[in-house]
Amino acid sequence: DTGVSQDPRHKITKRGQNVTFRCDPISEHNRLYWYRQTLGQGPEFLTYFQNEAQLEKSRLLSDRFSAERPKGSFSTLEIQRTEQGDSAMYLCATGTRDNEQFFGPGTRLTVL
Amino acid sequence: QKEVEQDPGPLSVPEGAIVSLNCTYSNSAFQYFMWYRQYSRKGPELLMYTYSSGNKEDGRFTAQVDKSSKYISLFIRDSQPSDSATYLCAPTKTSYDKVIFGPGTSLSVIP
Repeated sequence: DTGVSQDPRHKITKRGQNVTFRCDPISEHNRLYWYRQTLGQGPEFLTYFQNEAQLEKSRLLSDRFSAERPKGSFSTLEIQRTEQGDSAMYLCATGTRDNEQFFGPGTRLTVL
Repeated sequence: QKEVEQDPGPLSVPEGAIVSLNCTYSNSAFQYFMWYRQYSRKGPELLMYTYSSGNKEDGRFTAQVDKSSKYISLFIRDSQPSDSATYLCAPTKTSYDKVIFGPGTSLSVIP
């Protein structure tokens, strides 16, 4: 257990619905990252926060995706109007100053 | 060409064998190199973390980085069935940058 928690662990939704995932980081880590992982691939970067500021977004993060980290604590990732191609494992990681990134267990999304 | 490449395997070895996992990358700006282990349906777990070229040993695990050839290796001595997992090579440019993951190598250690 890395100390990073994610909720829910599994989410099944119908195409077109909105979903929101939550990540609770290790309290002393000010950096928080979201990644997406599909079967047989390594995780792909989506976005990154330092405290409450969203510093970088990947081109993978379309207009349907939005992430927040209010008050620099927990973070949420919302996907609007889900598509079948959004089915993946969504991983949250938090980082130390030396960039040792610790991952949560992930949220597995299935879009029917 | 992908930024980070690994042989996807699967690699199958008998218990006790020495395992060599390899990774190549194309971006010379990478300075920090990590290996993650990922069990099925779990999040990646940080295994080794090195800065720049050189070797680092931690128990049965040794990581080697050769920046001149853009080649990274992870060696596992006395492999155990519990080492069966996917190993992800993960370099990054700075101490705070996003990590670029390879596709991973699947390893099975047979008792």
